[in-house]
Amino acid sequence: AQSVAQPEDQVNVAEGNPLTVKCTYSVSGNPYLFWYVQYPNRGLQFLLKYITGDNLVKGSYGFEAEFNKSQTSFHLKKPSALVSDSALYFCAVRALSGNTGKLIFGQGTTLQVKP
Amino acid sequence: DAGITQSPRHKVTETGTPVTLRCHQTENHRYMYWYRQDPGHGLRLIHYSYGVKDTDKGEVSDGYSVSRSKTEDFLLTLESATSSQTSVYFCAISEGRDSWYEQFFGPGTRLTVL
Repeated sequence: AQSVAQPEDQVNVAEGNPLTVKCTYSVSGNPYLFWYVQYPNRGLQFLLKYITGDNLVKGSYGFEAEFNKSQTSFHLKKPSALVSDSALYFCAVRALSGNTGKLIFGQGTTLQVKP
Repeated sequence: DAGITQSPRHKVTETGTPVTLRCHQTENHRYMYWYRQDPGHGLRLIHYSYGVKDTDKGEVSDGYSVSRSKTEDFLLTLESATSSQTSVYFCAISEGRDSWYEQFFGPGTRLTVL
């Protein structure tokens, strides 16, 4: 069965420091992986995706993610955190049952960036 | 928010009453989805649609039905609301069916069932 795990409920980092939000996945076949961000009282916004190719994917707002097939991970990273990055982050993987692009989401990780 | 609106944005209702949530898109995307968001569960798919009058169940479809009579509108109905359906509901749209198409989300509807 396809699944996504985000092992940390919350990540705290100081402004200006690098940040990492972790994600591991379990899928059959090639994974299609996504990161979304949710600001308070808003819908989810797409950040980036990995389909194939370069293992380092760059996305919106200076975020990037590294696909690691051997560790089945897709960690979200940013070299220098901003207070405005504080939000809820979701990792997602495309389910292989059918072909309608259904996504399976992790439970989310709250990122808190302190000034 | 990419051309997606949800109505109402907030609703409080009582157990046993029917509730309909509306998702409206202006992007002319073929694929539409309804999710619910609950603490500790992330987002879970309720139902989805791959065209007018074409819908299918997601992983948590019990107690919910959907309809899509026009490309732009996707309705989610709780036939008889229960307290376990208190949640935040998100609609999403997608341009295509293949795996590389990201989904775009609406602002959400917060539903409370008393």
